[in-house]
Amino acid sequence: GIQVEQSPPDLILQEGANSTLRCNFSDSVNNLQWFHQNPWGQLINLFYIPSGTKQNGRLSATTVATERYSLLYISSSQTTDSGVYFCAVVRVDRGSTLGRLYFGRGTQLTVWP
Amino acid sequence: NAGVMQNPRHLVRRRGQEARLRCSPMKGHSHVYWYRQLPEEGLKFMVYLQKENIIDESGMPKERFSAEFPKEGPSILRIQQVVRGDSAAYFCASSSRETQYFGPGTRLLVL
Repeated sequence: GIQVEQSPPDLILQEGANSTLRCNFSDSVNNLQWFHQNPWGQLINLFYIPSGTKQNGRLSATTVATERYSLLYISSSQTTDSGVYFCAVVRVDRGSTLGRLYFGRGTQLTVWP
Repeated sequence: NAGVMQNPRHLVRRRGQEARLRCSPMKGHSHVYWYRQLPEEGLKFMVYLQKENIIDESGMPKERFSAEFPKEGPSILRIQQVVRGDSAAYFCASSSRETQYFGPGTRLLVL
């Protein structure tokens, strides 16, 4: 399989702070997604970003596929940002972007008021 | 546009019973994936299905587990003769292309 490493494993912030979460992967990928698992367990799609940079409100993400990493930026964090952030990839295989997602173990984010 | 639906949301079974988990994909999605999440862990792939076909079942235990996605109706993940180690959250995802969208999960507790 493919190894997906996320750092840091835990992050504690005060409301309003900025943060950067990192995802390293061990092989070429053609599909990378970021998810937020909220405290109720729901997995919410944040980005589909196999390469390049995307922004959505206070969140943005950058993937450098040639160097096998992706970054998720959270600016002006709010208490509702708390939860676990997962990076997941599909390994390049037969040229398809479809297939099983390999997940990292996640970054547990806690934002205090 | 309704999201991915899973039921039941919570399921309690005694050891040796059968568990049947259902997943209705988003409208227009023909690809369904099942993942399992153990406490304090990330999600592990189990099986990938298209209508009436199993595409990849490399993550599913060879015994007691089976999955189907019939032409009509939801996808079903079936666990026979459950054991305590099967207690976990089971998530279903669906896609039409590269982005997978997840359902709310079924929390299975085996007593």
